[in-house]
Amino acid sequence: DIQMTQSPSSLSASVGDRVTITCRASQGISNYLAWYQQRPGKVPKLLIYGASTLQSGVPSRFSGSGSGTDFTLTISSLYPEDVATYYCQKYNTAPFTFGPGTKVDIK
Amino acid sequence: EVQLLESGGGSVQPGGSLRLSCAVSGFTFRAYAMSWVRQAPGKGLEWVSSIVGSGGSAYYADSVRGRFTISRDNSKNTLYLQMIGLRAEDTAIYYCAKDRSWDPMRGLDFWGQGTPVTVSS
Repeated sequence: DIQMTQSPSSLSASVGDRVTITCRASQGISNYLAWYQQRPGKVPKLLIYGASTLQSGVPSRFSGSGSGTDFTLTISSLYPEDVATYYCQKYNTAPFTFGPGTKVDIK
Repeated sequence: EVQLLESGGGSVQPGGSLRLSCAVSGFTFRAYAMSWVRQAPGKGLEWVSSIVGSGGSAYYADSVRGRFTISRDNSKNTLYLQMIGLRAEDTAIYYCAKDRSWDPMRGLDFWGQGTPVTVSS
């Protein structure tokens, strides 16, 4: 099975900072990748699908890129409400594995 | 408004069984794949199972294959997860989630609030 890794596992940044999270697949998955945000105590929320397509209603400061094995989620300017854990998920074929998550907080 | 409401969680001894349900409203249920995703206490998300809109095909994580069965009743707008042979490592919040497409997986765009399952002696 394809394994998903994320880096870093956690980060601390200041409000207004640009934040980049990396997700890597152990084999190529084309652009079959989604990103989710889970705020503390809340339900996960779909941010991006198809590696780079922004889900309706998601602020434009979020963006995704990549294809094959290497993907990034970028927050162009960090807001306090972006404190959350971010997960990638592959969906080219089952199993539809999630990455281990990246926890983002405010410095 | 899309709504997903899970039920059926609870405490069970190892080896026991539970049946989770997810009642949905606000969208054409049969037109979308559905999934179960779980989250153990303090841990990350784990995909468990998905089923196509018709119910004709299902997919499972290796950790639950042979013990869990996903199903759906499109006449009742309800998704199910039958769990047998439960183990301590199945302890988690179980979320049902709607896919963006009839065929899994294209991204899970709506999630329920989750139902807790605790497996302990």
